[in-house]
Amino acid sequence: DAMVIQNPRYQVTQFGKPVTLSCSQTLNHNVMYWYQQKSSQAPKLLFHYYDKDFNNEADTPDNFQSRRPNTSFCFLDIRSPGLGDAAMYLCATSRDFGLLEAFFGQGTRLTVV
Amino acid sequence: GESVGLHLPTLSVQEGDNSIINCAYSNSASDYFIWYKQESGKGPQFIIDIRSNMDKRQGQRVTVLLNKTVKHLSLQIAATQPGDSAVYFCAENNSGGGADGLTFGKGTHLIIQP
Repeated sequence: DAMVIQNPRYQVTQFGKPVTLSCSQTLNHNVMYWYQQKSSQAPKLLFHYYDKDFNNEADTPDNFQSRRPNTSFCFLDIRSPGLGDAAMYLCATSRDFGLLEAFFGQGTRLTVV
Repeated sequence: GESVGLHLPTLSVQEGDNSIINCAYSNSASDYFIWYKQESGKGPQFIIDIRSNMDKRQGQRVTVLLNKTVKHLSLQIAATQPGDSAVYFCAENNSGGGADGLTFGKGTHLIIQP
């Protein structure tokens, strides 16, 4: 059974049109992460939540926002998608920081047209 | 820049042979390392992990070796199978560094030839 679920698997959005990607988890983990992965590259951390505490990576563009309304759900909002934002977006969870593996969802492939 | 990197972007091996995927890291404070397997169109899947107080850990057909002296990590896959074809990422974490996610290396694409 899937423990980290991302919806949708594939998302097409128009240039400049806001889009939201969703992630849910059944693990009751404290930490939820969003990664961006472009073709043939490693996943790059955008931001994460520890419970309700939000931590943004220094080089994450302001165009990317996140919400975590409760333990189970976390959303990635892209306010004005550009062509360069086309990528796979991965959600991951971990029970805590450090020394613990992160569980990944299957990802959402975002296409910007 | 990235603190974790891989030596080879592509590794091709014959089915049944053993494969070794290498990874170098630069953050000497990193104390936890993970190998992930990512198949095309899917999210990374945990394979095996190792803590910095160990130099070797074995799983089913996989072994991870850690050499802290030269900051090198390797993943050995025994008797490779077609299903092992994927991109393999090493990732590091620093438990003492506060709230950080995993830092991934660039990935090695393992190709299993029949």
